[in-house]
Amino acid sequence: VVTQSPDSLALSLGERATIKCRTSHSVFSSIDNADYFAWYQQKSGQPPRLLISWASSRHIGVPDRFKGSGSGTDFTLTIDNLRAEDVGVYYCQQGHSAPYTFGQGTRVEIK
Amino acid sequence: QMRFQESGPGLVQSSETLSLTCSVSGDSTESSGNYWGWVRLSPGKGPEWIGSVSYLGTVSSNLSLKSRVSLSIDTARNQFALTLKSMTAADTAIYYCVRHRMGPYGTTLHFYDFWSQGVQVTVSS
Repeated sequence: VVTQSPDSLALSLGERATIKCRTSHSVFSSIDNADYFAWYQQKSGQPPRLLISWASSRHIGVPDRFKGSGSGTDFTLTIDNLRAEDVGVYYCQQGHSAPYTFGQGTRVEIK
Repeated sequence: QMRFQESGPGLVQSSETLSLTCSVSGDSTESSGNYWGWVRLSPGKGPEWIGSVSYLGTVSSNLSLKSRVSLSIDTARNQFALTLKSMTAADTAIYYCVRHRMGPYGTTLHFYDFWSQGVQVTVSS
């Protein structure tokens, strides 16, 4: 189970967004010595886009305003200097054990 | 640039079978270390992994759907397919095909780095 909070977030341009996820079991792998945890962004009318893998590694082309942190069971996505193009729904996902579950999503809006 | 082209019906009758195909361009379904999967997104819920097939044809699927799901890969046509039997209203969702990769130590990584545009599938009674 992956529990994500908050359900929604309304912030002003330039502010920091913080989204948290908790997994029911540790997603750390001793084989890869890393956490199997990811974050995705979904904008309206588009498929989800991988932002962060390995809990903290930004995917190709993702701005450094997006930062993933955490390990084991608790993870955070931080978006610094919020911009209009960051509006959308953000999902976390554990990739450790089937069925590789996602959080229910956090909708980020601009005030 | 890798791209997916999904094909399949947007409307399925209740109790019938959904068949979707995902054609791949810009990558090869038989490339070592590639996995090809399906994820669906239902209104008001988070995405749900349905299942994946490896470049070797090895299949894994969500146990909640396992008895109804069939996955296959056709490397000659560079495509993979999903069949979901006994469809109900609860299966109404946008269905996406995705790619994921093998990790540096041979583990299957479920980080979905490419997604199709998705197909809206509605189950009608």
